[in-house]
Amino acid sequence: DAMVIQNPRYQVTQFGKPVTLSCSQTLNHNVMYWYQQKSSQAPKLLFHYYDKDFNNEADTPDNFQSRRPNTSFCFLDIRSPGLGDAAMYLCATSRGTGLGSGGPGGIYEQYFGPGTRLTVT
Amino acid sequence: AQSVTQLGSHVSVSEGALVLLRCNYSSSVPPYLFWYVQYPNQGLQLLLKYTTGATLVKGINGFEAEFKKSETSFHLTKPSAHMSDAAEYFCAVSAWMGGSQGNLIFGKGTKLSVKP
Repeated sequence: DAMVIQNPRYQVTQFGKPVTLSCSQTLNHNVMYWYQQKSSQAPKLLFHYYDKDFNNEADTPDNFQSRRPNTSFCFLDIRSPGLGDAAMYLCATSRGTGLGSGGPGGIYEQYFGPGTRLTVT
Repeated sequence: AQSVTQLGSHVSVSEGALVLLRCNYSSSVPPYLFWYVQYPNQGLQLLLKYTTGATLVKGINGFEAEFKKSETSFHLTKPSAHMSDAAEYFCAVSAWMGGSQGNLIFGKGTKLSVKP
């Protein structure tokens, strides 16, 4: 089955120690998103890639970086994790965001992976 | 700009009872509306979506939602709750703006509990 895979599902890191979270997809989607979700809160978009084009949300801290070496993979790098970065990190994909068969009037759905729960000690 | 308000952070129903989860949106352009479900320690799964056309939308697991433009609402319902419906539910909105589809804007979520 086509899907969005996140590894690891659980990650423990130390305060200030760089950590990388991984996302891969078999859907061949153009767009890959990273969300941060803290306990009992809505997912918050950090950034997304449309193909190789990187789009950062204005309020995403510089501590968070991303890489997309190819269509299938996208990585979230946290350069110096703080205690406040402990959260669930969700990866999502969609076929596009621009004009095309999905819209306007159509829709590009986002497909989510199972998430990586990050603990910072 | 879009926004979503979910009324009630926690809703508790008995098994077999009606489920009603409320969502109101704000959008300056015609919205796309979604309901997602999240089980503990899992990602989000799309339940249903409204884009254009029929205002009553049927989704998976027996859920449905009705888009009411006059009330700016998109409430989620299910006639008879099952224990397996216990989860967190997120309403989300996006819209077509400036030649591209806008990002998903999520509500704060409603945690549904189902009592035996």
